[in-house]
Amino acid sequence: QKEVEQNSGPLSVPEGAIASLNCTYSDRGSQSFFWYRQYSGKSPELIMFIYSNGDKEDGRFTAQLNKASQYVSLLIRDSQPSDSATYLCAVKASGTYKYIFGTGTRLKVLA
Amino acid sequence: GAVVSQHPSWVICKSGTSVKIECRSLDFQATTMFWYRQFPKQSLMLMATSNEGSKATYEQGVEKDKFLINHASLTLSTLTVTSAHPEDSSFYICSAPRTGGLSKNIQYFGAGTRLSVL
Repeated sequence: QKEVEQNSGPLSVPEGAIASLNCTYSDRGSQSFFWYRQYSGKSPELIMFIYSNGDKEDGRFTAQLNKASQYVSLLIRDSQPSDSATYLCAVKASGTYKYIFGTGTRLKVLA
Repeated sequence: GAVVSQHPSWVICKSGTSVKIECRSLDFQATTMFWYRQFPKQSLMLMATSNEGSKATYEQGVEKDKFLINHASLTLSTLTVTSAHPEDSSFYICSAPRTGGLSKNIQYFGAGTRLSVL
């Protein structure tokens, strides 16, 4: 069974610090990886997507992918209280458009 | 702005009634859409894949006769919760993958529908 694993948290970081969120996946055929942010009571919104090994930066966010280790991470620099949310890692299942979601990591940024 | 529109955002109904939820892709065609359900403090659970022009594909354990899906056009999918009961109360979210170009494989989510069955 294809799986995506995340630490449920909560992960607490002080304002201004770097938050590091991690995700592992089991489907070696997966080629597309996504991070979504979900505020309580709202639907997920896309933060980052990454298809190639290495780092991809967008503003305060950096996604890192290591396909050999089947590992994806999200770094949030200069964390703000408004970043407090649940972060969902999603992996596109090989051969379909379906995503496999992790259970999410709850991030708390302390002012 | 939103690329996937979902309506209604909130619905309260009596037990035994049916509720229809609409999901529209706004500026792209979606031959496939997805329907998820999310209970409080839990992750998204894929219910079914909606396929334009053919039957929906349901995930294991999801009753296809209870959750009717119709993909009427390349931009519209509907989910009907038939004979709703209190245990169907949940947050229902649709998504549509945008294919092609830099947006390939990205699923865009609707705002969600909170269903409360009394």
